[in-house]
Amino acid sequence: GESVGLHLPTLSVQEGDNSIINCAYSNSASDYFIWYKQESGKGPQFIIDIRSNMDKRQGQRVTVLLNKTVKHLSLQIAATQPGDSAVYFCAENNDNQGGKLIFGQGTELSVKP
Amino acid sequence: DGGITQSPKYLFRKEGQNVTLSCEQNLNHDAMYWYRQDPGQGLRLIYYSQIVNDFQKGDIAEGYSVSREKKESFPLTVTSAQKNPTAFYLCASSLYSNYGYTFGSGTRLTVV
Repeated sequence: GESVGLHLPTLSVQEGDNSIINCAYSNSASDYFIWYKQESGKGPQFIIDIRSNMDKRQGQRVTVLLNKTVKHLSLQIAATQPGDSAVYFCAENNDNQGGKLIFGQGTELSVKP
Repeated sequence: DGGITQSPKYLFRKEGQNVTLSCEQNLNHDAMYWYRQDPGQGLRLIYYSQIVNDFQKGDIAEGYSVSREKKESFPLTVTSAQKNPTAFYLCASSLYSNYGYTFGSGTRLTVV
C-alpha cells in the first residue's frame, strides 16, 4: 500500500549545526512532495516543496533533495536555530489520490543551545 | 490577509454530545480537508471536499459528519458515535489537486 515514512522519529542537534531529516516514500507514482513544520499546539506550516521533475530545490536555509531511484526525500536545514525546534512532516501526492496528501509520521527536531 | 480560520481553539465536550468545529477560508481554495492528530502522531484524514456540495470520506470518517454548502466553509461535527474524540483537529485547504495545503491553527477537543 501507499506509505510515507521517516527513518528517524527524533533528531537532536546543536545550535548552528546543519540538520538532515529523512523521509521514504513507497509510491513511485508520487510526483509532488512537501515538507511541513509543526510547532507545539499549532497547525503545520509549509516549508518547501518539490516536484518529481527536479532533484533539488533550495529555500531560505532549507534544501529539499529528491532521489526517485530509491524513493527518498530529505530536508536539510542549514545553521539550525532554536526556533527550528518542531515536528517536521513530509507529504506526498499524485494525480491518482484526488489531491489528497499522504503524510509521514513526523520527526521531532530538538535544537540544543 | 487571506487565510484559514478554525474556531474555537479549545472545545470541551460532554459524553453523548455532538459538537461542531468551524473552518473558514478566504483563499478562494476549491478543496478543503479535515485531519485528526493524536499526541505524538501524524495526521489522519477524516473527510475532504473538492467542490461545493460534495465531500468524501477519508480514512477515519466514522463518528464524524461534514457539510460544504459554501466554498469558504467546511464545518466538522463530532457526533456521539465517535467513541474517542479527544484529539487535535486540523482543517486545511488547497487551490486544487496536486498543490500544497494551507492549514488552520487547529482545535483541541477534550471530552469531559
